[in-house]
Amino acid sequence: EAGVTQFPSHSVIEKGQTVTLRCDPISGHDNLYWYRRVMGKEIKFLLHFVKESKQDESGMPNNRFLAERTGGTYSTLKVQPAELEDSGVYFCASSLPGTDSGNTIYFGEGSWLTVV
Amino acid sequence: QKEVEQDPGPLSVPEGAIVSLNCTYSNSAFQYFMWYRQYSRKGPELLMYTYSSGNKEDGRFTAQVDKSSKYISLFIRDSQPSDSATYLCAMSGGYQKVTFGTGTKLQVIP
Repeated sequence: EAGVTQFPSHSVIEKGQTVTLRCDPISGHDNLYWYRRVMGKEIKFLLHFVKESKQDESGMPNNRFLAERTGGTYSTLKVQPAELEDSGVYFCASSLPGTDSGNTIYFGEGSWLTVV
Repeated sequence: QKEVEQDPGPLSVPEGAIVSLNCTYSNSAFQYFMWYRQYSRKGPELLMYTYSSGNKEDGRFTAQVDKSSKYISLFIRDSQPSDSATYLCAMSGGYQKVTFGTGTKLQVIP
């Protein structure tokens, strides 16, 4: 069974440009999460989708970040315009429906973003 | 103060040693406790998952949760060079949002 896949794996962009990260969750996983790790810090929650609905977006840092999950399948995370402090690794994760399974979360390998 | 505290290490042990990794936390609402293993340039991989207090064993790995002390541990017996990785503790209140520690980098020397 395919795991959580993310694209691109690496991206280098200039400050002020736009980057869109894509995540394909494990098939059947209604829950989809975005997390981020910036240099030297812990992995931090950004937001959580249940199917196509945003369940919790309390971790989104500001309005330069836009996440979508049209159709409840794959998700995109757009950063526009990118700033230097946005550099880091962006992880997508997914889990099965239901509260008990909500903490068995499977992570992708991450999209490594460098803003120069 | 961070909700989850974890010593970043690095921790270096000889092959075959018993490894003890620990985290403390401050949020009493946490009910689910996880340990993830992360190899360099890879995503976190779920290793152990425990609900509430108690112990859980899986092969060479044992996870312990002491909610009264807000302290969780991961023990690795007969450590192997392939165990060399960063170990992340993580926890949640059951509302899907997971809070991570910074991770402890472990190196097992052959």
